[in-house]
Amino acid sequence: AQTVTQSQPEMSVQEAETVTLSCTYDTSESDYYLFWYKQPPSRQMILVIRQEAYKQQNATENRFSVNFQKAAKSFSLKISDSQLGDAAMYFCAYRSYGNKLVFGAGTILRVKS
Amino acid sequence: GAVVSQHPSWVICKSGTSVKIECRSLDFQATTMFWYRQFPKQSLMLMATSNEGSKATYEQGVEKDKFLINHASLTLSTLTVTSAHPEDSSFYICSAGTSGGTLPYNEQFFGPGTRLTVL
Repeated sequence: AQTVTQSQPEMSVQEAETVTLSCTYDTSESDYYLFWYKQPPSRQMILVIRQEAYKQQNATENRFSVNFQKAAKSFSLKISDSQLGDAAMYFCAYRSYGNKLVFGAGTILRVKS
Repeated sequence: GAVVSQHPSWVICKSGTSVKIECRSLDFQATTMFWYRQFPKQSLMLMATSNEGSKATYEQGVEKDKFLINHASLTLSTLTVTSAHPEDSSFYICSAGTSGGTLPYNEQFFGPGTRLTVL
């Protein structure tokens, strides 16, 4: 069974600075998707970024980018120019072509002004 | 596009009663819907997966007689918590999976969640 590990329960970052959230996963599959979701206090799950395993290029979405290391099974999220609105719980998730999402335990990100 | 709604957003009920939560895909057809449970500051735990017109597949440890799931149409799934007890109090989230078209194939879109409090 696939597992997703987020080893940082909480992280803090100063406004306008950069922070990296870590995620590792375990799978025997070669084709899969990886995601970062944001859950703000409203608790609405918001997709931040998606990475397809067969693509070597790291995904980017504006201030959000990932460092995808397939051999190491690592998938970290970098948030640049952090904003107060980035404060949330962030979940790393794995999905095979079977469609079921497996979530990590989450990382609470606090942004200091 | 790809909006998922849940109703109600918050419900309080007495112990022993049943509560129904609706999950609707508003602007797309969802071939698969998922139900999650989330405790405060914890991750999402998948409870069951349902495909339109067929029985739901429950995850290990989830009581299927306790949590009844119906996926009667491509836009509606319901979760009924039967004979609810205080330990069923939690945040329930649904997501709807797409079948392609203009949306990414097999992408999951999440509803806003329902907070259930059982007194």
